[in-house]
Amino acid sequence: SFELTQPPSVSVSPGQTARITCSGDALPNQFTSWYQQKPGQAPVLVIFKDSERPSGIPERFSGSVSGTTVTLTISGVEAEDEADFYCQSADTRGILVFGGGTKVTVL
Amino acid sequence: QVHLQESGPGLVKPSETLSLNCVVSGHSISSDFYWGWVRQPPGKGLQWIGTVYNSDNAYYNPSLNSRVHISVDTSKNHVSLTLTSVTAADTAVYYCTKERGTNLATRAIENWGQGTLVTVSS
Repeated sequence: SFELTQPPSVSVSPGQTARITCSGDALPNQFTSWYQQKPGQAPVLVIFKDSERPSGIPERFSGSVSGTTVTLTISGVEAEDEADFYCQSADTRGILVFGGGTKVTVL
Repeated sequence: QVHLQESGPGLVKPSETLSLNCVVSGHSISSDFYWGWVRQPPGKGLQWIGTVYNSDNAYYNPSLNSRVHISVDTSKNHVSLTLTSVTAADTAVYYCTKERGTNLATRAIENWGQGTLVTVSS
């Protein structure tokens, strides 16, 4: 199968922009999704198909792709955005993989 | 509004079989969607276990493939997980999931159950 690599942590001040990366050789040929998970809660889908936002997700969450790296951008970070974030991709054989997760700390 | 509710024993002995059930409400499980399971060991990241599509197409994590089976019961609208020969490494919160996507490569998990903690210990 394939692997997805995320930085363990990202720190950002309120109102600033947080960028969380996810790298993998397979990513140029596969779609990526992003999930936010707060302590004690199930994950929530915030981005799918690289850059699409499910209904109810704030516009400050956006996704982009550049080569083997996909990026989740949180613009105008709020205190409530502090959470763990996971990228995820799936291939045409049916295998689904998560990145290791990134803890976003709002300073 | 889709609701997923997991149930099953919270404690399983090593070498035994873990069995979990997920009741789906608000959506017919016989529709063309992907249903599956994800787990999360305490303090660690998410691990995809497997997915079933249209009741008879199943995809499993290669690292668990020989021990895992996922099935759907359309008459009861539920999804089941069976994991054999468990060890302490299988201790985790297990989530029932519904995926969106028109094909295998566009899948994303749009609905999650609340999760159920399963501990493997004698």
